[in-house]
Formats: sequence, C-alpha cells, structure tokens
Amino acid sequence: NAGVTQTPKFQVLKTGQSMTLQCAQDMNHNSMYWYRQDPGMGLRLIYYSASEGTTDKGEVPNGYNVSRLNKREFSLRLESAAPSQTSVYFCASRDRGRSGTDTQYFGPGTRLTVL
Amino acid sequence: AQSVTQLDSQVPVFEEAPVELRCNYSSSVSVYLFWYVQYPNQGLQLLLKYLSGSTLVKGINGFEAEFNKSQTSFHLRKPSVHISDTAEYFCAVSVSGGGADGLTFGKGTHLIIQP
Repeated sequence: NAGVTQTPKFQVLKTGQSMTLQCAQDMNHNSMYWYRQDPGMGLRLIYYSASEGTTDKGEVPNGYNVSRLNKREFSLRLESAAPSQTSVYFCASRDRGRSGTDTQYFGPGTRLTVL
Repeated sequence: AQSVTQLDSQVPVFEEAPVELRCNYSSSVSVYLFWYVQYPNQGLQLLLKYLSGSTLVKGINGFEAEFNKSQTSFHLRKPSVHISDTAEYFCAVSVSGGGADGLTFGKGTHLIIQP
C-alpha cells in the first residue's frame, strides 16, 4: 500500500516549456487534489476532482490544467511554464467514505523550478 | 469562504518545555479542523483532526488541540517537546458535511526546538 505517489520528484523547466505532473493513489478514494506550496504562503488549492470524470477550479487555477484519468490517477499540466510557477506541488486524496474519517492524505511532492 | 490565521510564523522553544501553536479560523458555515506537520523536504502528515464531538482532540506524537467555537480557535499544544518535533506545522479547515472542497491552510508555523 503505497498511499499517494507523485512523479517526478524534481524538475527544472525553461520558460515556455510544458510538462505534466503525475499523481496516483491506491486507497480507492473518490476525491483528489492538487496544491502548490510557496514560502510563507502555506498550501493553496489549484484544482480538485470530487470523483472520476469531474474537475473543479480551486483558489489558484490560472496557468494549469488537470485530467482525472481514472479513479486512481489525477495529473496536473503546465502548458507554458512561467517563473511564477516555481513551487512545490503536492497531490492529495481524500477519504470521505466513512463517518469520522474525513482526511486528506498527501504525496511526497514535486519540486519544480522554472528558469 | 474560509480563512485560517496562524499567528506566529516561528516559535522557538527549549527542549522538554511546553509549546502552544495558535490557530484561528473564519467561516460562515460549520467546518472541520486539522493540524498537519511537515518535516524538512517531506510531504504533510496528519497530526490530529476535529470533526465533531469532544472539543479536546488527541493526536500522534503527544500533541493535542482544543476546538473553541466561541473563540474560533484550534490551538495545538504539547506538554514537553523533543528535538524531533522541529518541523513546520499547518492548521487547515474544510467545510463540514461531506463536500469535496479542498482544505484551506494557514501560512504555517515553524517550530524550532533549542537544546
């Protein structure tokens, strides 16, 4: 049981390049999330998916797209990277199925630098 | 919309001393409350959560927190800290009732344990 996994762990891009961050969970959770973490800002929600086939914008969605490929996988795409997107990106999945267990589980993060 | 304020960006404490990390929230609806810990270069790990019931919540690693609805606070406490508690601590809220919305985080408190 790996929990939430993310690839890659580190990435350096040049301005204008594109890339996709991958996330997978093996806990059979319906809901999945992408956050970014910047120094002194805490974590901010980029996009989320309440269930397979649905996605919604969070607090900071500009410059990103997401795909909920199936129940396990939720990817985040940067079409044209900008230096302002330099950040640490965390994927999470949420256990909402049982009373008293509403908890988000986080992956290890992807550290992205855009030059 | 919800918001979370962590009043201290850094808290230095001597080893074996007690500590309190403060968290206040604002919301027009009922919320769930969480404390997460982040060790250097790692993801977030759940310390404890308040969903309903007893307002005093006990978590892992000897931490506890008390939900105070009238003060809209959820302060984290530990009676005796250890060097290994050095980490970033995040308070977070989500809307109660089983919706899929993501977490709203505070900006974090860096707990520094001094020998």
